[in-house]
Amino acid sequence: GQQLNQSPQSMFIQEGEDVSMNCTSSSIFNTWLWYKQDPGEGPVLLIALYKAGELTSNGRLTAQFGITRKDSFLNISASIPSDVGIYFCAGQLYAGNMLTFGGGTRLMVKP
Amino acid sequence: DAGVTQSPTHLIKTRGQQVTLRCSPKSGHDTVSWYQQALGQGPQFIFQYYEEEERQRGNFPDRFSGHQFPNYSSELNVNALLLGDSALYLCASSLKQGIFYGYTFGSGTRLTVV
Repeated sequence: GQQLNQSPQSMFIQEGEDVSMNCTSSSIFNTWLWYKQDPGEGPVLLIALYKAGELTSNGRLTAQFGITRKDSFLNISASIPSDVGIYFCAGQLYAGNMLTFGGGTRLMVKP
Repeated sequence: DAGVTQSPTHLIKTRGQQVTLRCSPKSGHDTVSWYQQALGQGPQFIFQYYEEEERQRGNFPDRFSGHQFPNYSSELNVNALLLGDSALYLCASSLKQGIFYGYTFGSGTRLTVV
């Protein structure tokens, strides 16, 4: 099935560094979501974006909904060890519709 | 407030067997969706149940079927298991009404087919 193109696939960074990851699609979505998944757990919602061009923050996380509605990015500032995990983007056509996920970005943080 | 509960957490089945996975949605949620997450990949949508009916379906064969009960809990059934069905199966619940149907995911059932 369709998956969004998410990059990079993995990142190994030093604690305190900023992180940037992005997600692109060949088709438009009306909602973009960013999730984090820890080992043995289900995805947990970090940020939801509802409007093209929207920039939304949640603590050290900032995400943007691309103006073309075909892309989104997530930034994490001043990374800490607990940021370790897999980050997924997901697109949704309309409320209640299925989520289409990216392949994930595995983030590793070196203390 | 209990979140989404899935059972069992792990199970091992043999090729050709049938399996039933169970999900209890978050309190107050009325819609249940199922996703398959293969190792190293993002979740893929299987189907969604609302008012005890399948409302949306992803690109999965008929071997995958489901059910929703009056108390909103749900089951995912997979028949004639293949090795490729080995994956983490995630249940997500949501509330049908509202501007944003926020999905709450369970921790999943890890299915291994041998």
